[in-house]
Amino acid sequence: RKEVEQDPGPFNVPEGATVAFNCTYSNSASQSFFWYRQDCRKEPKLLMSVYSSGNEDGRFTAQLNRASQYISLLIRDSKLSDSATYLCVVSRGSNYQLIWGAGTKLIIKP
Amino acid sequence: GAGVSQSPSNKVTEKGKDVELRCDPISGHTALYWYRQSLGQGLEFLIYFQGNSAPDKSGLPSDRFSAERTGGSVSTLTIQRTQQEDSAVYLCASSNPGQGSPYEQYFGPGTRLTVT
Repeated sequence: RKEVEQDPGPFNVPEGATVAFNCTYSNSASQSFFWYRQDCRKEPKLLMSVYSSGNEDGRFTAQLNRASQYISLLIRDSKLSDSATYLCVVSRGSNYQLIWGAGTKLIIKP
Repeated sequence: GAGVSQSPSNKVTEKGKDVELRCDPISGHTALYWYRQSLGQGLEFLIYFQGNSAPDKSGLPSDRFSAERTGGSVSTLTIQRTQQEDSAVYLCASSNPGQGSPYEQYFGPGTRLTVT
């Protein structure tokens, strides 16, 4: 079983729609959680951290469920520019290393 | 300021040759990571340097892979006797655990390695 599991997609979503995807993690010692975004043939970049109480950044909302060990990302009013692969990332717990999911591919269609 | 830089951006080599990939982290970042990413796949952790501590080499796939970090800054990843399965994008990232967002990793543009 992978340490961080994500639905690879692709999610094909019309522009303006709301889309959500989850990831699950297996390391109960993980304390920090993130969503990174990776555009095609580019390097990953931090999208947002995920806090226990949930947090919002514009059209993006992240949620954490520690009991069930899953993290979610909701994108409202999706834009064409949101098309990318979204990587779920959790801390390993013992140092500053991160465990990376394989990513969920999102395609926003006009 | 300057971000993470990597060189070369592309490298084509023949099977059996050795290659060296270079990473210049963000100045002042004490942590440096190497990953590789095959087409359509997630990031595979290779090695992690943190300050003067012994590196975590647990992700290196074989003894053909090695890395060093000189003076706590520039890092070189060396692959000896390259194989076709080594073909991938090799990504370097740095972070600064001492302040701000300690887990935020800043990535370089990667080196695309093709072994023919």
